[in-house]
Amino acid sequence: RKEVEQDPGPFNVPEGATVAFNCTYSNSASQSFFWYRQDCRKEPKLLMSVYSSGNEDGRFTAQLNRASQYISLLIRDSKLSDSATYLCAAHSGNTPLVFGKGTRLSVIA
Amino acid sequence: EPEVTQTPSHQVTQMGQEVILRCVPISNHLYFYWYRQILGQKVEFLVSFYNNEISEKSEIFDDQFSVERPDGSNFTLKIRSTKLEDSAMYFCASSIDRVRELFFGEGSRLTVL
Repeated sequence: RKEVEQDPGPFNVPEGATVAFNCTYSNSASQSFFWYRQDCRKEPKLLMSVYSSGNEDGRFTAQLNRASQYISLLIRDSKLSDSATYLCAAHSGNTPLVFGKGTRLSVIA
Repeated sequence: EPEVTQTPSHQVTQMGQEVILRCVPISNHLYFYWYRQILGQKVEFLVSFYNNEISEKSEIFDDQFSVERPDGSNFTLKIRSTKLEDSAMYFCASSIDRVRELFFGEGSRLTVL
C-alpha cells in the first residue's frame, strides 16, 4: 500500500506560469503534512508545513483537504530557480514521516 | 541558522566492510532520524531515535544496521557488513517534536563496490 502518492511529472512550465501539484495520503490518522523541495543529489529542504486552514508563503500556497485526503501545492509566477523535485510528506504521532516519490518541476525560460 | 551536519559526504567501501556514518543534529532537537535514498527512488525511513533508544524502525533496518548516540552531540549509523544494495544517499534528520517538521543534513553518499 502506497502511503503517500504523487504524480511524478515532469511538469514543464514556462517562466511566470502557475503550477499546482497534488498529493494523496492513505493514513487517515495523519496529522502533520509538509512540502519539501529537493534539488538533484541534495537533501530535502522544508518548503512549508501544511495547516488545516491552508497557508501561504509568498508565491507558494499549500492546502489540505482532510475529507479527500490530499494536500496541494500551488506555485505562482514560476521562476527558473523553482526547478526541483517537490516532495510531499505526512505523518501521524505513531508513524514516522513518510515521503512521496516527488513531483519533478522544470521551469523553462 | 542551526543545521544538521553529516560526515563523510561521500564514502566508497568494499562489500562486506563496516561503515559508520556520522551526524550532528540540531542542538535543541530531541528526535533523530536516518533516511536513505537510492538513486532515482524515494526518500525512505530507516530508523528514529529518542531518549537514547530506537523508537521506530523500518523493515530495511535489519540486523546489519545499528544506531548510537555515543555522546551529547553525535548520532551515528553503522552498517556492519555492507552489501551492494546499500549504495545510497543516507540522510540524517532531527526534529524538536515527534510530529513537527524534520530538518535534514546534506547527506552521506555511500558507494559499495
